[in-house]
Amino acid sequence: DQQVKQNSPSLSVQEGRISILNCDYTNSMFDYFLWYKKYPAEGPTFLISISSIKDKNEDGRFTVFLNKSAKHLSLHIVPSQPGDSAVYFCAASAGAGGTSYGKLTFGQGTILTVHP
Amino acid sequence: NAGVTQTPKFQVLKTGQSMTLQCAQDMNHEYMSWYRQDPGMGLRLIHYSVGAGITDQGEVPNGYNVSRSTTEDFPLRLLSAAPSQTSVYFCASSYLRAGATDTQYFGPGTRLTVL
Repeated sequence: DQQVKQNSPSLSVQEGRISILNCDYTNSMFDYFLWYKKYPAEGPTFLISISSIKDKNEDGRFTVFLNKSAKHLSLHIVPSQPGDSAVYFCAASAGAGGTSYGKLTFGQGTILTVHP
Repeated sequence: NAGVTQTPKFQVLKTGQSMTLQCAQDMNHEYMSWYRQDPGMGLRLIHYSVGAGITDQGEVPNGYNVSRSTTEDFPLRLLSAAPSQTSVYFCASSYLRAGATDTQYFGPGTRLTVL
C-alpha cells in the first residue's frame, strides 16, 4: 500500500518556465512533509518542508503548497534552471504523534528535466 | 564535519555471502536509519535507531540486521545475500525531538549487486 504517491514519473520543462511536481498521500496521520532532490550517484538532499499547520512555504525559487482536505501537496520551482534537473522525492512523516520518531515515507520520485 | 559517510561505494556479492555496509555520522544525531532505493519504488525504510542500543524495524527489514553500539555508527548487515537485495542503500541521520520531525541528512549511498 503506497501511502505517498508521485504519479508522474517524469516532467520536462523549458528553462525559465515553472515546474510543478505533485504528490498525494493517503495517511491522515501525516503532519509534516518534505521534498528531497537527488542527483545521480549522490544521496538525496533536503530541499523544503511544510508542516500541516501551514498551507504554503516558500524558500527562494521553491514553494511548497499543501491541501490537507485533498491530501495533496505540490512543489513549484520558478524560474526553472537546467541545474534543477534531478529526481525529486516527496516524503511524509507523522512526527507529532510522538511515537513515529521522525520515520519518513517516500514517494516513488519524479525525474525533472529542464531544457536550456 | 564530514556529515554522513558510507562505505563501500560499490559492492558485488554472490548469493549466500554476507557483508556489512558501514555508516557513520559526525553530527551527534540521535536518529539514524537505512533505506533502500529500487526503480519505481522510491526509498523504503529498512531499519532505524533512536539512540545507542535502540533499534527497530522499518518497512522492509527481512534479510537485514542492525546494531547501534555508538551514537556515530549504524552498520547494516546482510547475513546471506540474495539477488532481491540488489539495490542502492542509503544511510540517513537527524536530530530527534519529541513530537517533531527533523530534516534527515543522507549519505552518498552504496550500490550493491548480488549475483
